[in-house]
Amino acid sequence: GAVVSQHPSWVICKSGTSVKIECRSLDFQATTMFWYRQFPKQSLMLMATSNEGSKATYEQGVEKDKFLINHASLTLSTLTVTSAHPEDSSFYICSARGRREGSYEQYFGPGTRLTVT
Amino acid sequence: KNEVEQSPQNLTAQEGEFITINCSYSVGISALHWLQQHPGGGIVSLFMLSSGKKKHGRLIATINIQEKHSSLHITASHPRDSAVYICAVPEETSGSRLTFGEGTQLTVNP
Repeated sequence: GAVVSQHPSWVICKSGTSVKIECRSLDFQATTMFWYRQFPKQSLMLMATSNEGSKATYEQGVEKDKFLINHASLTLSTLTVTSAHPEDSSFYICSARGRREGSYEQYFGPGTRLTVT
Repeated sequence: KNEVEQSPQNLTAQEGEFITINCSYSVGISALHWLQQHPGGGIVSLFMLSSGKKKHGRLIATINIQEKHSSLHITASHPRDSAVYICAVPEETSGSRLTFGEGTQLTVNP
């Protein structure tokens, strides 16, 4: 079964509003969480890496003030898209890395489709 | 940085056929991921493996560490297996950042 969940699975919002996406590790503690975005027909692109209790590390070209990441606990990270614009419409995917069933591995969430109108 | 190559890019099969998708990488790794992405976009983690072979239902994943190569096999393929299959490896030997293959679009016809 799924070990990483995302909520919501899809969301439609109006331009200028903010949207929060949650990523939860369900049966393990995630010391590191990764946020990706994916445009149609393209591969996943890493946006940022977050470690529990510390600030996220953003990839080059990703605006940290626009994509706010909070990793406040070992099972939850949130990505907030602030002042969303239509070009932010994309598929956002998180993955969580931690120790589960004796080994230290990375698991992917199912993704969240964001549409900004 | 790890280079990842997947083949084939596109694969069309008839229901019941045995499917093989290949993934090669350039730098030694701790674990390789196989992911499945359905047309709606949802990603499913299929396998993580660092050696040998893993099996889950009709899916089998193998990895040869010396040859830096992994294969994903689907036995008795079914139209619901139609999806994009992606392999991913750490960027460097000990890293957790991943490099993704371009994906293999599999279409299984009834």
